[in-house]
Amino acid sequence: QKEVEQDPGPLSVPEGAIVSLNCTYSNSAFQYFMWYRQYSRKGPELLMYTYSSGNKEDGRFTAQVDKSSKYISLFIRDSQPSDSATYLCAPNTGTASKLTFGTGTRLQVTL
Amino acid sequence: EPEVTQTPSHQVTQMGQEVILRCVPISNHLYFYWYRQILGQKVEFLVSFYNNEISEKSEIFDDQFSVERPDGSNFTLKIRSTKLEDSAMYFCASRTTGTGAVQPQHFGDGTRLSIL
Repeated sequence: QKEVEQDPGPLSVPEGAIVSLNCTYSNSAFQYFMWYRQYSRKGPELLMYTYSSGNKEDGRFTAQVDKSSKYISLFIRDSQPSDSATYLCAPNTGTASKLTFGTGTRLQVTL
Repeated sequence: EPEVTQTPSHQVTQMGQEVILRCVPISNHLYFYWYRQILGQKVEFLVSFYNNEISEKSEIFDDQFSVERPDGSNFTLKIRSTKLEDSAMYFCASRTTGTGAVQPQHFGDGTRLSIL
């Protein structure tokens, strides 16, 4: 079983839609859950992160972690064409430790 | 906003040659990382570096790889004798030590390494 799994997509939605991106993981030691956004030919850019279970909101973005089911979600409200990118979930066991990336979900927001 | 810079953006090298990829981390950061991403695959961890020594490395990071912080600003990844399968995008990341809130890793835009 892979440590972190994501549906690679592509996921195509119309502008203004609510987007739900998801990851599952197998390592119970993961405590910190990062979401990175990667545009074509660019490095991963940190979007937001959560610690342990619960929700965190930042503008149009909400991250959710359910450690009991090992399930991580990122919701994007009022999606914009500029949100078109690959979204990578990347948990780790401690803030200085390595990130374990999922394959990423490619999102396309159409006009 | 401070950023991690990587040079060159694209490196083409003959198989068997040595290559050095360079990174300038964010200035007050003390943890440094290299990751790679083979085309169409996920980003994979290679090595982490703190206090002038390797703190963790993956199975990919074998004897052909080495890292160095030669001065106060650069962080390098050397591949001694490149193989075709080393062709990938290599990302450098850095992180501050800060306490309290989570201090995430910040990534550069990568060096695309092409082995011929």
